[in-house]
Amino acid sequence: QVQLVQSGAEVKKPGASVKVSCKASGYIFTTYAMHWVRQAPGQRPEWMGWINADNGNTKYSQKFQGRVTFTRDTSASTAHMELSSLRSEDTAVYYCARGRDSSGVFGYWGQGTLVTVSS
Amino acid sequence: DIQMTQSPSSLSASAGDRVTITCRASQGITSDLGWYQQKPGKAPKRLIFAASSLQSGVPSRFSGSGSGTEYTLTITSLQPEDFATYYCLQYNTYPWTFGQGTKVELK
Repeated sequence: QVQLVQSGAEVKKPGASVKVSCKASGYIFTTYAMHWVRQAPGQRPEWMGWINADNGNTKYSQKFQGRVTFTRDTSASTAHMELSSLRSEDTAVYYCARGRDSSGVFGYWGQGTLVTVSS
Repeated sequence: DIQMTQSPSSLSASAGDRVTITCRASQGITSDLGWYQQKPGKAPKRLIFAASSLQSGVPSRFSGSGSGTEYTLTITSLQPEDFATYYCLQYNTYPWTFGQGTKVELK
C-alpha cells in the first residue's frame, strides 16, 4: 500500500532553515510528482509547489520562491523540502502529498511534520 | 491567484441530516476541483476529484457537482464519522488554492 512517511517535528529559531523529508513506499517513486502543502494552526492548507520525482524539475509557489528548495533522492524514494530564513509565520504542519493520478490530485498524504519557529 | 470562497465556514447538523457546502472560484476552473475531509491532527483525505467523481472507497452519501466557478459538496444522511472540516481545492491554475474550510459540527 502507498505510504508517505515524514520526518519528525522540528523547533527552529527565526532566521534558521529547516529540512523536512518524505519517504515514499508502495509505488514506483519516480512515477508521480511530490507536492508540499503547509497548514498553519487553524488555517486552510496552503500549496507550496512540487517536484518531478523523475527528473527533479520543480515548480514553486511565488510566495515561497527564493526561500524554498525541493529535492529528491530516487535511490531512497525520498523527497525533501527545505525552507530558509524562517520566521514565526512559518510555524505550521508541513505535508508532502502525491501528485496527479487517475483520480485527481493529493490522493496520498504524509502524516505531517510540525515546524515551530520561535526565539 | 484564484480565490476559492467556501461557504458556510461552519454549520451544526444532526446525524441523518443532509448537508451542502459550496465553493466559488474567482474565475473558471473547468472542474479541476477536489473536496477533502480533514479531522483534527490528521492529513486531509480526498473525497471527490474532477468536481463530481467519487474517490474509490468513499461512501456514496458524498457527492460533488458544479461547473465553471461554482461547486458543491453534498453529504446525504450525515454519519457520526462525518463530523470534520471540509476543504475544496482548485488545481486548474498555479498556485493551487484551497477554500477556507467548512467545519461540520454536531448540533
